[in-house]
Amino acid sequence: SQTIHQWPATLVQPVGSPLSLECTVEGTSNPNLYWYRQAAGRGLQLLFYSVGIGQISSEVPQNLSASRPQDRQFILSSKKLLLSDSGFYLCAWSPGAVEAFFGQGTRLTVV
Amino acid sequence: LAKTTQPISMDSYEGQEVNITCSHNNIATNDYITWYQQFPSQGPRFIIQGYKTKVTNEVASLFIPADRKSSTLSLPRVSLSDTAVYYCLVEGTGFQKLVFGTGTRLLVSP
Repeated sequence: SQTIHQWPATLVQPVGSPLSLECTVEGTSNPNLYWYRQAAGRGLQLLFYSVGIGQISSEVPQNLSASRPQDRQFILSSKKLLLSDSGFYLCAWSPGAVEAFFGQGTRLTVV
Repeated sequence: LAKTTQPISMDSYEGQEVNITCSHNNIATNDYITWYQQFPSQGPRFIIQGYKTKVTNEVASLFIPADRKSSTLSLPRVSLSDTAVYYCLVEGTGFQKLVFGTGTRLLVSP
């Protein structure tokens, strides 16, 4: 069966520090991968999606970036965090139809 | 992608049937309608998907009229544990961009 792993679960980082969140999927190949951010009490904001290795589409211009170095690995990064980067980050994968599967999320607090 | 409109919030009581309607006036011929449920501090979870008429599973029913410009998620006899945010997505076959709107916040009270 397919599983998605996302870590860490919580993270507290100072303003200006770098960020790296990792997401891996097991039990499937060539999944569509997604990164979302959710501010407190708000909806899900699609940040990046990827249909294959090295193929990244950005939805929102900001100081975040994403990479897909391997088929089932999706990484969200920042060189310098801002206070506004705080939020709940979710990784998801989809086989391309029907439903998407989400990771457990990372609660990021920038202080 | 078809734009969707849902009520921001709804209130209900335990044991009642809840119907959440989503408007998607510019739905395309190959678009499907999918509903997700999200609890606090968790990722959304797939509930149901449909193309037309009625779809039912063990969790909910989805009603889609002939013109497909709207859809209604029906939750029978809700319980406190159904308190969550419900999202309606309208996307085509093949690659799905999975754009979530603001959703409908359902509060079920005793």
